[in-house]
Amino acid sequence: QVQLRESGPGLVKSSQTLSLTCAVSGASIISGDYHWSWVRQSPGKGLEWIGYIYHSGRAYYNPSLSSRVNMSIDTSSNRISLHLSPMTAADTAVYFCARGLRLFGMDVWGPGTTVSVSS
Amino acid sequence: DVQMTQSPSSLSASVGDRVTITCRASETISKFLNWYQQKPGKAPKLLISGASSLQTGVPSRFSGSGSGTDFTLTIRGLQPEDFATYYCQQSFSTTYTFGQGTKLEVK
Repeated sequence: QVQLRESGPGLVKSSQTLSLTCAVSGASIISGDYHWSWVRQSPGKGLEWIGYIYHSGRAYYNPSLSSRVNMSIDTSSNRISLHLSPMTAADTAVYFCARGLRLFGMDVWGPGTTVSVSS
Repeated sequence: DVQMTQSPSSLSASVGDRVTITCRASETISKFLNWYQQKPGKAPKLLISGASSLQTGVPSRFSGSGSGTDFTLTIRGLQPEDFATYYCQQSFSTTYTFGQGTKLEVK
């Protein structure tokens, strides 16, 4: 079955760039009409959608983050990447990647990776 | 942006109860509304998509309804494993938004 797993540095310094990777196994990221999302959750808070990307490379971002976020897709390695810069303490969160279809929601999620921002 | 407002933000109930969570969109979103369940320390789980389509493997005690701007998630006959936080999410706009969540707790 399809599995996603996020990876990246657990700790990032304020003003630096966060780079996370989501490895997809069990399916090719170019199959079907799926998009690949990033969602985050700050400690004790709700879910915040960051953005999603199609295998074509077309991406849509949360307007509140769009000036700081970039997503990319590597079809050769079946991975999706998230870059967020500059980081601030408010970006401390668990970051999830998820597979989705616009009409059918996000049906497969990674376990999440925790990112803390230090000053 | 389409804003999603869930109510209540928290809810206390007992095993066997019927509970309803409401989600309201700031503009019409047709049936592009999904519901997720999240337990502490875990990733969200998709329960219902397209406002009312139950995902495979999700118990039939969960149901969703609504269209336009007003949606509901109903759980009939609460089970111990249902105590969790529930989120709605719209996918009508190309930029998605989640509701703020409803925490379902044991009374």
